[in-house]
Amino acid sequence: QVQLVQSGAEVKKPGASVKISCKASGHTFTNLFLHWVRQAPGQGLEWMAILKLSPGDIDYAQRFEGRVTVTRDTSTSTVYMEVSGLKTDDSAVYFCAGSPGWYSFDYWGQGTLVTVSS
Amino acid sequence: QSALTQPASVSGSPGQSITISCTGTSSDVGGYAYVSWYQQYPGKAPKLIMYHIDYRPSGVSTRFSGSKSGNSASLTISGLQAEDEADYYCSSYSRTVNYVFGTGTKVTVL
Repeated sequence: QVQLVQSGAEVKKPGASVKISCKASGHTFTNLFLHWVRQAPGQGLEWMAILKLSPGDIDYAQRFEGRVTVTRDTSTSTVYMEVSGLKTDDSAVYFCAGSPGWYSFDYWGQGTLVTVSS
Repeated sequence: QSALTQPASVSGSPGQSITISCTGTSSDVGGYAYVSWYQQYPGKAPKLIMYHIDYRPSGVSTRFSGSKSGNSASLTISGLQAEDEADYYCSSYSRTVNYVFGTGTKVTVL
């Protein structure tokens, strides 16, 4: 069974950057599609990016292009997402989600709360 | 590309059946068989309950079923139970934006 464990909550000031991690276990890391999805307080789910199977191409939602960077460390089975130029409306719970196929989000991390406040 | 359209809320009495709709376009729901559904309890991560329109992951109750017609998909919950009270989101692959979620539906068991 795939498990995704994310890093802890963060509090940042506007304009700062935040880097969140998501460590995968229970499945060959390079055989997983890994997504980042966020959920603002009281709001719905918003897809942000996908890390595809080897060689690890990355696609971003257009609204995050240039401000979000996804990287991976295959030696530790960890995917990272960095969001730069934080704004108060970036305050949200950020989830990583993984799947052996690219068509659904089969497994989810526990979520990482990011609070952006001056 | 805005979110797929779902009703904000749906309610039903225990034992009844309810249906949640998910409306998109020919670029997403209507164009692909890649519609999935997620159940989310407050403060928890979403859980996959349906994929490829009408496939249930192992362990998901058979009371959940999915379908699609044209640009709309639906999730039906039969024999409604108190534990079904949660938020539900649809999702689809999209030719234009990769992936898109629905606006979400709050299910209330009366």
